[in-house]
Amino acid sequence: AQTVTQSQPEMSVQEAETVTLSCTYDTSENNYYLFWYKQPPSRQMILVIRQEAYKQQNATENRFSVNFQKAAKSFSLKISDSQLGDTAMYFCAFMYDGAGSYQLTFGKGTKLSVIP
Amino acid sequence: SQTIHQWPATLVQPVGSPLSLECTVEGTSNPNLYWYRQAAGRGLQLLFYSVGIGQISSEVPQNLSASRPQDRQFILSSKKLLLSDSGFYLCAWSTPSGRAFAFFGPGTRLTVL
Repeated sequence: AQTVTQSQPEMSVQEAETVTLSCTYDTSENNYYLFWYKQPPSRQMILVIRQEAYKQQNATENRFSVNFQKAAKSFSLKISDSQLGDTAMYFCAFMYDGAGSYQLTFGKGTKLSVIP
Repeated sequence: SQTIHQWPATLVQPVGSPLSLECTVEGTSNPNLYWYRQAAGRGLQLLFYSVGIGQISSEVPQNLSASRPQDRQFILSSKKLLLSDSGFYLCAWSTPSGRAFAFFGPGTRLTVL
Protein backbone atom coordinates (compact mmCIF):
# COMPACT_ATOMS: atom_id res chain seq x y z
CA ALA A 1 0.00 0.00 0.00
CA GLN A 2 1.11 3.52 -0.75
CA THR A 3 1.62 6.10 1.98
CA VAL A 4 2.14 9.85 1.73
CA THR A 5 3.81 11.85 4.50
CA GLN A 6 3.77 15.60 4.97
CA SER A 7 6.02 16.33 7.93
CA GLN A 8 5.16 20.01 8.33
CA PRO A 9 1.69 20.47 9.87
CA GLU A 10 1.96 24.28 9.69
CA MET A 11 4.19 26.80 7.96
CA SER A 12 4.24 30.54 7.48
CA VAL A 13 5.92 32.80 4.96
CA GLN A 14 6.18 36.52 4.42
CA GLU A 15 4.38 37.93 1.42
CA ALA A 16 6.61 37.96 -1.70
CA GLU A 17 9.00 35.41 -0.19
CA THR A 18 9.55 31.80 -1.25
CA VAL A 19 8.43 28.74 0.70
CA THR A 20 8.92 25.01 0.20
CA LEU A 21 6.48 22.36 1.41
CA SER A 22 7.78 18.84 1.89
CA CYS A 23 6.24 15.54 0.87
CA THR A 24 7.60 12.01 0.88
CA TYR A 25 5.86 8.87 -0.25
CA ASP A 26 6.36 5.17 -0.13
CA THR A 27 5.49 2.86 -3.00
CA SER A 28 6.79 -0.21 -4.77
CA GLU A 29 5.28 0.92 -8.06
CA ASN A 30 7.26 2.47 -10.89
CA ASN A 31 4.50 4.26 -12.77
CA TYR A 32 2.47 6.80 -10.88
CA TYR A 33 1.41 10.42 -10.65
CA LEU A 34 1.98 12.92 -7.87
CA PHE A 35 -0.18 15.95 -7.14
CA TRP A 36 -0.30 19.01 -4.97
CA TYR A 37 -3.76 20.29 -4.06
CA LYS A 38 -4.68 23.56 -2.43
CA GLN A 39 -7.70 23.80 -0.12
CA PRO A 40 -8.56 27.42 0.76
CA PRO A 41 -11.12 28.31 3.44
CA SER A 42 -13.89 27.63 0.91
CA ARG A 43 -12.72 23.98 1.20
CA GLN A 44 -12.83 23.25 -2.52
CA MET A 45 -9.85 21.12 -3.52
CA ILE A 46 -7.93 22.85 -6.29
CA LEU A 47 -5.29 21.06 -8.33
CA VAL A 48 -2.09 23.09 -8.15
CA ILE A 49 0.43 20.96 -9.99
CA ARG A 50 0.89 17.43 -11.27
CA GLN A 51 3.96 15.30 -11.99
CA GLU A 52 4.25 12.06 -13.94
CA ALA A 53 6.79 9.72 -12.39
CA TYR A 54 8.27 8.77 -15.77
CA LYS A 55 9.23 12.39 -16.46
CA GLN A 56 12.54 13.57 -15.07
CA GLN A 57 11.77 17.22 -15.69
CA ASN A 58 10.17 18.96 -12.74
CA ALA A 59 6.69 20.34 -13.34
CA THR A 60 6.08 24.09 -13.10
CA GLU A 61 2.90 26.16 -13.11
CA ASN A 62 3.58 29.88 -12.92
CA ARG A 63 4.77 30.57 -9.34
CA PHE A 64 4.49 26.91 -8.35
CA SER A 65 7.17 24.33 -9.04
CA VAL A 66 8.12 20.94 -7.70
CA ASN A 67 11.35 19.18 -6.86
CA PHE A 68 10.71 15.55 -7.76
CA GLN A 69 13.36 13.11 -6.53
CA LYS A 70 12.14 9.67 -7.60
CA ALA A 71 14.94 7.68 -5.99
CA ALA A 72 14.44 9.46 -2.69
CA LYS A 73 10.64 9.32 -3.09
CA SER A 74 10.40 13.02 -2.40
CA PHE A 75 8.05 15.54 -3.98
CA SER A 76 8.34 19.06 -2.56
CA LEU A 77 6.36 22.12 -3.64
CA LYS A 78 8.01 25.52 -3.99
CA ILE A 79 5.86 28.63 -4.02
CA SER A 80 7.66 31.73 -5.26
CA ASP A 81 6.57 35.33 -4.68
CA SER A 82 4.01 34.20 -2.09
CA GLN A 83 0.69 36.00 -2.17
CA LEU A 84 -2.00 36.39 0.49
CA GLY A 85 -4.28 34.22 -1.64
CA ASP A 86 -1.86 31.33 -1.24
CA THR A 87 -2.99 30.95 2.38
CA ALA A 88 -4.57 27.50 2.47
CA MET A 89 -4.12 23.85 3.37
CA TYR A 90 -1.87 22.06 0.91
CA PHE A 91 -2.18 18.35 0.32
CA CYS A 92 0.28 16.08 -1.43
CA ALA A 93 -1.30 13.08 -3.18
CA PHE A 94 -0.24 9.91 -4.99
CA MET A 95 -2.06 8.06 -7.76
CA TYR A 96 -0.95 4.70 -9.14
CA ASP A 97 -0.94 4.46 -12.93
CA GLY A 98 -1.97 0.92 -13.69
CA ALA A 99 -4.85 -1.37 -14.50
CA GLY A 100 -8.03 -0.65 -12.60
CA SER A 101 -9.18 2.38 -10.75
CA TYR A 102 -6.91 5.28 -10.08
CA GLN A 103 -7.17 6.04 -6.37
CA LEU A 104 -5.68 9.10 -4.75
CA THR A 105 -3.77 8.62 -1.51
CA PHE A 106 -3.40 11.88 0.43
CA GLY A 107 -1.02 13.16 3.03
CA LYS A 108 -2.44 14.85 6.14
CA GLY A 109 -1.76 18.32 4.79
CA THR A 110 0.31 21.42 5.58
CA LYS A 111 -1.41 24.60 6.68
CA LEU A 112 0.33 27.54 4.99
CA SER A 113 -0.15 31.09 6.21
CA VAL A 114 1.10 34.01 4.14
CA ILE A 115 1.85 36.99 6.35
CA PRO A 116 1.46 40.50 4.95
CA SER B 1 -14.02 21.48 -20.69
CA GLN B 2 -14.98 19.19 -17.87
CA THR B 3 -16.99 20.32 -14.88
CA ILE B 4 -18.16 18.54 -11.78
CA HIS B 5 -21.21 19.47 -9.76
CA GLN B 6 -22.30 18.52 -6.28
CA TRP B 7 -25.48 19.25 -4.39
CA PRO B 8 -26.58 20.25 -1.98
CA ALA B 9 -23.76 22.56 -0.89
CA THR B 10 -24.81 22.45 2.75
CA LEU B 11 -27.03 20.04 4.65
CA VAL B 12 -28.14 19.77 8.27
CA GLN B 13 -29.84 16.52 9.15
CA PRO B 14 -31.01 14.88 12.40
CA VAL B 15 -29.55 11.61 13.58
CA GLY B 16 -31.40 8.66 12.07
CA SER B 17 -32.58 10.50 8.98
CA PRO B 18 -31.73 9.38 5.42
CA LEU B 19 -29.12 10.99 3.19
CA SER B 20 -28.68 11.48 -0.52
CA LEU B 21 -25.81 13.47 -2.01
CA GLU B 22 -25.48 13.78 -5.75
CA CYS B 23 -22.52 14.32 -8.02
CA THR B 24 -22.53 14.78 -11.78
CA VAL B 25 -19.71 15.25 -14.25
CA GLU B 26 -19.93 17.01 -17.59
CA GLY B 27 -17.61 17.05 -20.57
CA THR B 28 -16.14 13.56 -20.28
CA SER B 29 -17.19 9.96 -20.79
CA ASN B 30 -16.63 6.87 -18.67
CA PRO B 31 -14.85 8.67 -15.85
CA ASN B 32 -13.70 7.01 -12.67
CA LEU B 33 -15.75 8.55 -9.86
CA TYR B 34 -14.90 8.88 -6.18
CA TRP B 35 -16.48 9.92 -2.88
CA TYR B 36 -14.13 11.31 -0.24
CA ARG B 37 -14.90 12.52 3.27
CA GLN B 38 -12.92 15.09 5.20
CA ALA B 39 -13.65 15.30 8.91
CA ALA B 40 -12.83 18.53 10.73
CA GLY B 41 -9.06 19.06 10.97
CA ARG B 42 -8.24 15.81 9.22
CA GLY B 43 -7.15 14.60 5.82
CA LEU B 44 -9.24 13.04 3.10
CA GLN B 45 -10.61 9.53 3.42
CA LEU B 46 -11.69 7.60 0.34
CA LEU B 47 -15.17 6.14 0.87
CA PHE B 48 -16.19 4.70 -2.50
CA TYR B 49 -14.99 4.58 -6.07
CA SER B 50 -16.56 3.46 -9.31
CA VAL B 51 -15.05 2.50 -12.65
CA GLY B 52 -18.38 2.14 -14.47
CA ILE B 53 -22.16 2.10 -14.24
CA GLY B 54 -23.31 -0.12 -11.41
CA GLN B 55 -19.74 -0.86 -10.31
CA ILE B 56 -19.02 0.32 -6.78
CA SER B 57 -16.07 -0.46 -4.54
CA SER B 58 -16.12 0.38 -0.85
CA GLU B 59 -12.98 1.34 1.00
CA VAL B 60 -14.39 1.77 4.49
CA PRO B 61 -17.19 -0.33 6.01
CA GLN B 62 -19.87 1.96 7.43
CA ASN B 63 -23.51 2.88 7.16
CA LEU B 64 -23.01 4.75 3.89
CA SER B 65 -23.58 3.37 0.40
CA ALA B 66 -22.97 4.61 -3.12
CA SER B 67 -24.60 4.06 -6.47
CA ARG B 68 -23.84 4.96 -10.08
CA PRO B 69 -27.07 4.83 -12.05
CA GLN B 70 -25.64 6.68 -15.06
CA ASP B 71 -22.18 7.09 -16.55
CA ARG B 72 -21.62 10.55 -15.12
CA GLN B 73 -23.76 10.41 -11.98
CA PHE B 74 -22.58 9.25 -8.57
CA ILE B 75 -24.81 9.19 -5.49
CA LEU B 76 -23.87 8.82 -1.83
CA SER B 77 -26.64 7.57 0.45
CA SER B 78 -27.46 6.50 3.95
CA LYS B 79 -30.62 5.01 5.42
CA LYS B 80 -29.90 6.31 8.93
CA LEU B 81 -27.32 9.00 9.64
CA LEU B 82 -25.00 8.87 12.64
CA LEU B 83 -23.37 11.80 14.42
CA SER B 84 -20.02 10.52 13.14
CA ASP B 85 -21.20 11.02 9.54
CA SER B 86 -20.75 14.78 9.89
CA GLY B 87 -18.05 16.15 7.63
CA PHE B 88 -17.21 17.59 4.27
CA TYR B 89 -17.97 15.27 1.36
CA LEU B 90 -16.10 15.65 -1.88
CA CYS B 91 -16.82 14.00 -5.20
CA ALA B 92 -13.97 13.60 -7.66
CA TRP B 93 -13.37 12.19 -11.12
CA SER B 94 -10.39 10.92 -13.02
CA THR B 95 -9.73 9.61 -16.51
CA PRO B 96 -10.15 5.86 -16.92
CA SER B 97 -6.84 5.29 -18.64
CA GLY B 98 -3.83 7.03 -20.03
CA ARG B 99 -2.99 10.40 -18.53
CA ALA B 100 -4.50 10.45 -15.08
CA PHE B 101 -6.21 13.54 -13.75
CA ALA B 102 -8.20 13.97 -10.59
CA PHE B 103 -10.56 16.90 -10.18
CA PHE B 104 -12.85 17.64 -7.29
CA GLY B 105 -16.31 19.07 -6.98
CA PRO B 106 -17.15 21.99 -4.67
CA GLY B 107 -18.13 19.67 -1.81
CA THR B 108 -21.10 19.22 0.54
CA ARG B 109 -20.87 20.24 4.17
CA LEU B 110 -22.97 17.77 6.19
CA THR B 111 -23.86 18.38 9.82
CA VAL B 112 -25.68 15.66 11.70
CA LEU B 113 -27.37 16.85 14.90
